[in-house]
Amino acid sequence: GAVVSQHPSRVICKSGTSVKIECRSLDFQATTMFWYRQFPKKSLMLMATSNEGSKATYEQGVEKDKFLINHASLTLSTLTVTSAHPEDSSFYICSARAEGGDSYEQYFGPGTRLTVT
Amino acid sequence: AQTVTQSQPEMSVQEAETVTLSCTYDTSESDYYLFWYKQPPSRQMILVIRQEAYKQQNATENRFSVNFQKAAKSFSLKISDSQLGDAAMYFCAYRRDMNYGGATNKLIFGTGTLLAVQP
Repeated sequence: GAVVSQHPSRVICKSGTSVKIECRSLDFQATTMFWYRQFPKKSLMLMATSNEGSKATYEQGVEKDKFLINHASLTLSTLTVTSAHPEDSSFYICSARAEGGDSYEQYFGPGTRLTVT
Repeated sequence: AQTVTQSQPEMSVQEAETVTLSCTYDTSESDYYLFWYKQPPSRQMILVIRQEAYKQQNATENRFSVNFQKAAKSFSLKISDSQLGDAAMYFCAYRRDMNYGGATNKLIFGTGTLLAVQP
């Protein structure tokens, strides 16, 4: 199946700094990418939907100025957590949707664990 | 709004036995897809099985099969001959058909069922 990568897999940053997470679709073009946040033993919470070349659509309650999403190409989307605080510590997962086909399959990255100290 | 409910937070099964995970959903739409995803300890989400709502036949993938009851809005996952590697969190998910268009064709996840496999 299609592969989605995320970088870094783990990151530790100091409170007040910004951190960028990259999501790449390695062998297909993804017009749409999704960013999720997941707390331990909980479900995935959709943060935003990102379409290539346009502004991301954020879910209710997600601060768009804090979680900056850029989808500059059909294979790359980035999530930047600005002025990170300890409560932003979480597991972040991206997903890319392959356009066309019968089901518009959605493929998930391996996730990024963010720890803010 | 569409919702997905998984009423079993945790389940346990003996190796080689069969286990069924429950999922119900609510929607007013007629065209949609249902999914089961597996999330092992590595946290990588893996698609287990997919069901198109317009298909009456239940989807199967090797040891994994579903019981799709459209009228009852039920979508259970059966794992046969359970293996230690099946131990994971399982998420049921709903997505409206892409023909509806718009930015709301997103996956809606249930809360998950943590499956333990006993040797």
